[in-house]
Amino acid sequence: SQQGEEDPQALSIQEGENATMNCSYKTSINNLQWYRQNSGRGLVHLILIRSNEREKHSGRLRVTLDTSKKSSSLLITASRAADTASYFCATEYNFNKFYFGSGTKLNVKP
Amino acid sequence: GAVVSQHPSWVICKSGTSVKIECRSLDFQATTMFWYRQFPKQSLMLMATSNEGSKATYEQGVEKDKFLINHASLTLSTLTVTSAHPEDSSFYICSARRQENTEAFFGQGTRLTVV
Repeated sequence: SQQGEEDPQALSIQEGENATMNCSYKTSINNLQWYRQNSGRGLVHLILIRSNEREKHSGRLRVTLDTSKKSSSLLITASRAADTASYFCATEYNFNKFYFGSGTKLNVKP
Repeated sequence: GAVVSQHPSWVICKSGTSVKIECRSLDFQATTMFWYRQFPKQSLMLMATSNEGSKATYEQGVEKDKFLINHASLTLSTLTVTSAHPEDSSFYICSARRQENTEAFFGQGTRLTVV
């Protein structure tokens, strides 16, 4: 399969809970980027993590990268109903070459 | 922030006609712009990469004569779907970034329907 596959495919949680999504890839990468997409809309950039970085934070978001396992995780803490969206990881595995995973559909119930 | 504007947000055209979609970086100069296609409930598929002033690089399986890409300036790239057919109906999204190994920011997408 292609680079950047997320799991789970779908995740349903209650508001206030944490949500964790994972992304796995196959070859070495330059960076990995997480995006959010609301239905029928464009993508919103969340976090970029480079291959020499292990963890990054942005507000309620925490991204980790384990290059030895070729995997990344996105943690959303204290989730809100407004976090309901699809989340994609994109791996840049070569210069200007991106692959997007199939995405995780997150539903946060109020 | 970095804003990428895509226009139009939706378009309906007749089979056989051509449609042009614009992608602009509003507050930064984009050395590289990317064009993607997204089918319903699926992920994004990279179609081509364009750098200002040079020919676009198309991904395998993407017809360059059908999907014409022009990157005339550091803030504008256009995708023209030529002789559109119903199977070209899809959601087309562009992204842009300042330089290599940095964030790529996306436009709002264009919903193309060919009737």
